[in-house]
Amino acid sequence: AQRVTQPEKLLSVFKGAPVELKCNYSYSGSPELFWYVQYSRQRLQLLLRHISRESIKGFTADLNKGETSFHLKKPFAQEEDSAMYYCALSGWGSSYKLIFGSGTRLLVRP
Amino acid sequence: DTEVTQTPKHLVMGMTNKKSLKCEQHMGHRAMYWYKQKAKKPPELMFVYSYEKLSINESVPSRFSPECPNSSLLNLHLHALQPEDSALYLCASSQGGGDREKLFFGSGTQLSVL
Repeated sequence: AQRVTQPEKLLSVFKGAPVELKCNYSYSGSPELFWYVQYSRQRLQLLLRHISRESIKGFTADLNKGETSFHLKKPFAQEEDSAMYYCALSGWGSSYKLIFGSGTRLLVRP
Repeated sequence: DTEVTQTPKHLVMGMTNKKSLKCEQHMGHRAMYWYKQKAKKPPELMFVYSYEKLSINESVPSRFSPECPNSSLLNLHLHALQPEDSALYLCASSQGGGDREKLFFGSGTQLSVL
């Protein structure tokens, strides 16, 4: 069964500190992993996906198949990064089914 | 236009009412979705339409009835809802080419059932 686990409900860091939001998944095949972000009073939007191997707003995420993880990282957090972050998974042949983790709220303090 | 538009933004209804939520996109996307999001919880998939045909129904109660009149519009008809159905209802769309696509979300309809 597909499952996405985000162990931290809240992550609080100071501005300029490194950030790592954890995501682990369970899937028997080769998944596509995503990070979606929801800023205050804004709609849910895609931050990045592993297949693109891109860096958005300074965030990166590497798929580690051995550890079944897709942690989101940023070397220096900014206050505007404060938001709700959801890790999500889509599998092959899942007919558009995107499974979300429970989310981690990132709070970046000045 | 790269947005998914949902109306109304807020809706209060009684348990005997009938109402509809509307969703519209003009990005040429052929897959459209309804998600339900309770407070402080992740979105949960309800329905998926692919090329205007219902392809996924996640065992949603029949008091929720989706409709896709054309490739740009998606409706969710509500009837005889329960207070526990109060939630944020999100519409999303994607290109429709297959799995693993980027989803574009609307800002949602906040529904309160009294």
